[in-house]
Amino acid sequence: DGGITQSPKYLFRKEGQNVTLSCEQNLNHDAMYWYRQDPGQGLRLIYYSQIVNDFQKGDIAEGYSVSREKKESFPLTVTSAQKNPTAFYLCASSIDSGGAGRGQYFGPGTRLTVT
Amino acid sequence: DQQVKQNSPSLSVQEGRISILNCDYTNSMFDYFLWYKKYPAEGPTFLISISSIKDKNEDGRFTVFLNKSAKHLSLHIVPSQPGDSAVYFCAASVSGSNYKLTFGKGTLLTVNP
Repeated sequence: DGGITQSPKYLFRKEGQNVTLSCEQNLNHDAMYWYRQDPGQGLRLIYYSQIVNDFQKGDIAEGYSVSREKKESFPLTVTSAQKNPTAFYLCASSIDSGGAGRGQYFGPGTRLTVT
Repeated sequence: DQQVKQNSPSLSVQEGRISILNCDYTNSMFDYFLWYKKYPAEGPTFLISISSIKDKNEDGRFTVFLNKSAKHLSLHIVPSQPGDSAVYFCAASVSGSNYKLTFGKGTLLTVNP
């Protein structure tokens, strides 16, 4: 079954600790994305990567870091510099379909709670 | 500046009736639009899309209408079912690229039995 996996589903951390969220896809998509969702805020783009070993900041990249060493994997690190890290984090992937496609495919999400 | 707006945070309809979810956009460069459905604690799933060369696209109970002059699109669900209760996100892109989808804030649809 092709898809995107995110682990864990729920994650709890103490303030001041860095935490890494996992995202793996076996869809053979070149592009991968990280979003965060807060109540009433919709989906906000943190980082995206169009190809291995390359990534770009999204709209709210401060306090986050990513790596893209493999096509299948795009881990997100929430650093202690992120002021409000508690949120629902979504990973996605896509091809650049040129308008005929289904957009981005999303994983099931990770709920991060920092206390 | 919010380029994709879903002005209704929530909508409640009776089972069997029509649900109409609205979306407005400000960027005239957007030429491909998508609707996603999201259940709580899950990732969004693709529902239906429309290119700017069309004004209507249908898929079963779901129809999306695009009014380019008004920069407005709407999603119609007929008939609505309780399983349709979810948050619906409108998204837009330029040149149909998947790289930079701009999402609205979502509308919570509740379909009452």
